[in-house]
Amino acid sequence: EPEVTQTPSHQVTQMGQEVILRCVPISNHLYFYWYRQILGQKVEFLVSFYNNEISEKSEIFDDQFSVERPDGSNFTLKIRSTKLEDSAMYFCASKAGTSESYEQYFGPGTRLTVT
Amino acid sequence: AQSVAQPEDQVNVAEGNPLTVKCTYSVSGNPYLFWYVQYPNRGLQFLLKYITGDNLVKGSYGFEAEFNKSQTSFHLKKPSALVSDSALYFCAVRDDTGGFKTIFGAGTRLFVKA
Repeated sequence: EPEVTQTPSHQVTQMGQEVILRCVPISNHLYFYWYRQILGQKVEFLVSFYNNEISEKSEIFDDQFSVERPDGSNFTLKIRSTKLEDSAMYFCASKAGTSESYEQYFGPGTRLTVT
Repeated sequence: AQSVAQPEDQVNVAEGNPLTVKCTYSVSGNPYLFWYVQYPNRGLQFLLKYITGDNLVKGSYGFEAEFNKSQTSFHLKKPSALVSDSALYFCAVRDDTGGFKTIFGAGTRLFVKA
């Protein structure tokens, strides 16, 4: 069964550094998402991406964040200057099409630790 | 604005007994409702969804959920719990007003005792 993959599984970085989290969505999917889950808290929507542009973003997704689909297979989340509060599990998800009959498929997540 | 409430942080049930994990929602338009399960150190796995049609939805691993429009609820149920069902369960909602984001509840931890 096809699945969403994410790398790395765990990233440790120092405050102020840039990080790039990588995702490979399911190959024929058209919609891509990033969510985050701070330890012990709820899963929060960050951004959705369709047709090579951001379709919706949350208030969390400020100027420090950016997303890109550089090569038609990878989908990346960049945090320009990490803060301690960016420490969380980041999940990538993809969806096949517009219809709501399609569910989102989630990757296993990248645990980001900012020290 | 969309919101999801899971009123119980934790549900404890004995193996073989029926289980219910509660979820209520608020959306502007018609709701699209989902349940996901998260095992330790793993991602979110899709269990089931309600888009339209029958109010009782059947999903993976013997789970089902009942959509109740008047009570704005979408409770997850299973007739006979297994120890292996112990995990974190998230209810989620989108609506049909054209938004892309899915809103998740805070999660309910299910413990099934042998």
